[in-house]
Amino acid sequence: EIVLTQSPATLSLSPGERVTLSCRTSQSVSTYLAWYQQRPGQAPRLLISDASNRATGIPARFSGSGSGTDFTLTISGLEPEDSAIYFCQQRTSWPLTFGGGTKVEIK
Amino acid sequence: QVQLQESGPGLVKPSETVSLICTVSGGSISNDYWSWIRQSPGKGLEWIGYIFHTDNTKYSPSLKSRVTISADTATNRLSLSLTSVTAADTALYFCAREREYCHGLNCFAKTGFDLWGQGILVTVSS
Repeated sequence: EIVLTQSPATLSLSPGERVTLSCRTSQSVSTYLAWYQQRPGQAPRLLISDASNRATGIPARFSGSGSGTDFTLTISGLEPEDSAIYFCQQRTSWPLTFGGGTKVEIK
Repeated sequence: QVQLQESGPGLVKPSETVSLICTVSGGSISNDYWSWIRQSPGKGLEWIGYIFHTDNTKYSPSLKSRVTISADTATNRLSLSLTSVTAADTALYFCAREREYCHGLNCFAKTGFDLWGQGILVTVSS
């Protein structure tokens, strides 16, 4: 099973700041990695597929990069509505697995 | 637009079987990959398994002995059956979709669950 480790566990930032979230995988997943945003009481929402492709309707301030075992989700210009937990997920091998999440708080 | 809606019992007794339904509206379950995923405070997001082309399934090894996922194209519904439940199975259960894409004769799931139901909370307690 591929283990996904996200860091940091929690971030507290001000609106307008740039946010960088990390996801590391225990073995290479090529670019078969997705990022999700989950707000309280809601289902996860797909932000990024295949490591760097923004999903339909996702604002341009969200971007993804990386390949192999190291991946980054960047939010350039934090908005109040970006307060959420962010998860990464791999689709290279079964079982499909998720990271433990990074909580982004807005000051 | 395609929408997913989970339904089923909210409370199940230990050792019993929980059966959940995911009703898909606005699209066909004959295409794409359809997963069940659960979320609990202790284990985060956990993929349970998926079904594609209505009769091909893949399950998480940790749950494989207790899980069955099936699809009914007549009603456009997916189902999840989880047997011998314990308190560790208490979670919010989601159904979710991965789009399928084909390159020639080879078809694959596109990375990322692009559509999710709202989830149903299942509590295992006597």
